[in-house]
Amino acid sequence: RKEVEQDPGPFNVPEGATVAFNCTYSNSASQSFFWYRQDCRKEPKLLMSVYSSGNEDGRFTAQLNRASQYISLLIRDSKLSDSATYLCVVTIPADSWGKLQFGAGTQVVVTP
Amino acid sequence: GAVVSQHPSWVICKSGTSVKIECRSLDFQATTMFWYRQFPKQSLMLMATSNEGSKATYEQGVEKDKFLINHASLTLSTLTVTSAHPEDSSFYICSARDEGANYNEQFFGPGTRLTVL
Repeated sequence: RKEVEQDPGPFNVPEGATVAFNCTYSNSASQSFFWYRQDCRKEPKLLMSVYSSGNEDGRFTAQLNRASQYISLLIRDSKLSDSATYLCVVTIPADSWGKLQFGAGTQVVVTP
Repeated sequence: GAVVSQHPSWVICKSGTSVKIECRSLDFQATTMFWYRQFPKQSLMLMATSNEGSKATYEQGVEKDKFLINHASLTLSTLTVTSAHPEDSSFYICSARDEGANYNEQFFGPGTRLTVL
């Protein structure tokens, strides 16, 4: 079983629509969670951290469910520029160097 | 925000040659930097953790003699792929941990695309 699992997609989303997807993690001791965005042939860029109480950044909302060990990302009013691969990232518990574990990514394609 | 640079951005080399990739944190000091590799349509895989002034820590299955890491200063880490072969062709990305930030946030360099002929 992978440490961090994501639905690879692609999620084909009409412009203006809402899309949501989850990521599950296997280690219940994981403490920090992030969503990164990666465009084709580019480096990952931090989209948002995920806080225990859930958080919102503009059109993006992230939720954490520790009991079920998943985090979610919801994108409202999708823009063409939201087309990318979204990477779920968790910190490795008890690792003092702050190593990250990456999911394989969920591809989102926003269509006109 | 924190900026990390990588050089070169792409390199093509012949099989058997060595390639050095530089990773620099431009506006912050990074005691710890990380080196990742990403094959097409796959996730980033951590190769090693680079610690300033000490030996790097390699992930299981990564040959330390093939992927030499040097972290000589708080702003520079280098990865040298020795005797590169076509199977080493990949996208190599470094990241630096901004220890002044919350939640162990890491900032990524733009990556180096290595093609070994």
